Amino acid sequence: NAGVTQTPKFRVLKTGQSMTLLCAQDMNHEYMYWYRQDPGMGLRLIHYSVGEGTTAKGEVPDGYNVSRLKKQNFLLGLESAAPSQTSVYFCASSRVLTVNTEAFFGQGTRLTVV
Amino acid sequence: AQSVAQPEDQVNVAEGNPLTVKCTYSVSGNPYLFWYVQYPNRGLQFLLKYITGDNLVKGSYGFEAEFNKSQTSFHLKKPSALVSDSALYFCAVRDNAGNNRKLIWGLGTSLAVNP
Repeated sequence: NAGVTQTPKFRVLKTGQSMTLLCAQDMNHEYMYWYRQDPGMGLRLIHYSVGEGTTAKGEVPDGYNVSRLKKQNFLLGLESAAPSQTSVYFCASSRVLTVNTEAFFGQGTRLTVV
Repeated sequence: AQSVAQPEDQVNVAEGNPLTVKCTYSVSGNPYLFWYVQYPNRGLQFLLKYITGDNLVKGSYGFEAEFNKSQTSFHLKKPSALVSDSALYFCAVRDNAGNNRKLIWGLGTSLAVNP
């Protein structure tokens, strides 16, 4: 089982460049999430989706956009990258929808903005 | 406000000794509590969860956690630590009051098991 797959695994961007991170899950999960992980700050939710065609803002949405055109994919876009967006990004998914369902995580994307 | 605290940034234990990673929480309703582990350069993996019922929850890799409502704690434990348990551990809580489906995460505790 592939589970949650993120691409790319590593990327270096110059300030002002754009890129898209792709997350794909093969578990037919309704919910998908994008987090960033920074030292001393734990996991912070950027955006999430409760189903195909829906997106919602998390704790730190500024500078990011997302799309969920297909149930299995959740894309995270950076339109104009900034050094403050240097981080490790994790995608996760979970079933609907009881509050007691656990999330499944991808292996992360390490992004450096120079 | 909902919150999760992991009071120790790092825990060091000797292999074979028992380990405890602490977690306390604050929610407005009844909590759903989770522990995740992150090995180096990997994503988070689910370990165990408390929903209802027995206060002692058993999970993957020999880990267990004890829910204590009066102390609002959910400490992760293992009777005998392995070097391979060295990783970053995250506690998370979801408040079942209202329509919130988001997890509130602790900042993580780095566990180092020494041979």
